[in-house]
Amino acid sequence: RKEVEQDPGPFNVPEGATVAFNCTYSNSASQSFFWYRQDCRKEPKLLMSVYSSGNEDGRFTAQLNRASQYISLLIRDSKLSDSATYLCAANTGGFKTIFGAGTRLFVKA
Amino acid sequence: DAGVIQSPRHEVTEMGQEVTLRCKPISGHDYLFWYRQTMMRGLELLIYFNNNVPIDDSGMPEDRFSAKMPNASFSTLKIQPSEPRDSAVYFCASSQTGTGHPDTQYFGPGTRLTVL
Repeated sequence: RKEVEQDPGPFNVPEGATVAFNCTYSNSASQSFFWYRQDCRKEPKLLMSVYSSGNEDGRFTAQLNRASQYISLLIRDSKLSDSATYLCAANTGGFKTIFGAGTRLFVKA
Repeated sequence: DAGVIQSPRHEVTEMGQEVTLRCKPISGHDYLFWYRQTMMRGLELLIYFNNNVPIDDSGMPEDRFSAKMPNASFSTLKIQPSEPRDSAVYFCASSQTGTGHPDTQYFGPGTRLTVL
């Protein structure tokens, strides 16, 4: 089993839709979690950090469920510009961070 | 402030050749990470440094790979000899302790390596 697992998608949604991604992690000792956004042929860029139960930033909400060992990312009112790959990551101790394979999102007009 | 700088951005080489990838972290950052990304394996951590000292190199695939950090502003990842299966995008990232979220990593633009 991979340490961090994501549904690869792709998710195809219309503009304005709400979309949610889930990510599971296997290391129960993980304390920090992240969602990164990666555009095609670009580097990953931090979207949100999650250190407690959740975090919200505008249209984006991340939730952490420690009992079930998953984190989710909710995107409301999807924009065309939200089309990207979303990488989930978990800090497994020290500064070692393990990334999921990513979930691809396509937002269509 | 300049972000993480990597060079070269693209590298095409032939099997058996030595490849050196370079990284300059964000000034003041004391952690530096090297990752490799492929379609098949995703983003994999190869090695990371703290204050120029290698902390965890368990992700380095084999002895053909080596990484150094001679000072706080420069790191190299070397592959010798290179093989076609090393073809990937190699990212360098850095982070800084002493901030609110020390484990937030900032990635460079990557080096796209093709080994023929």
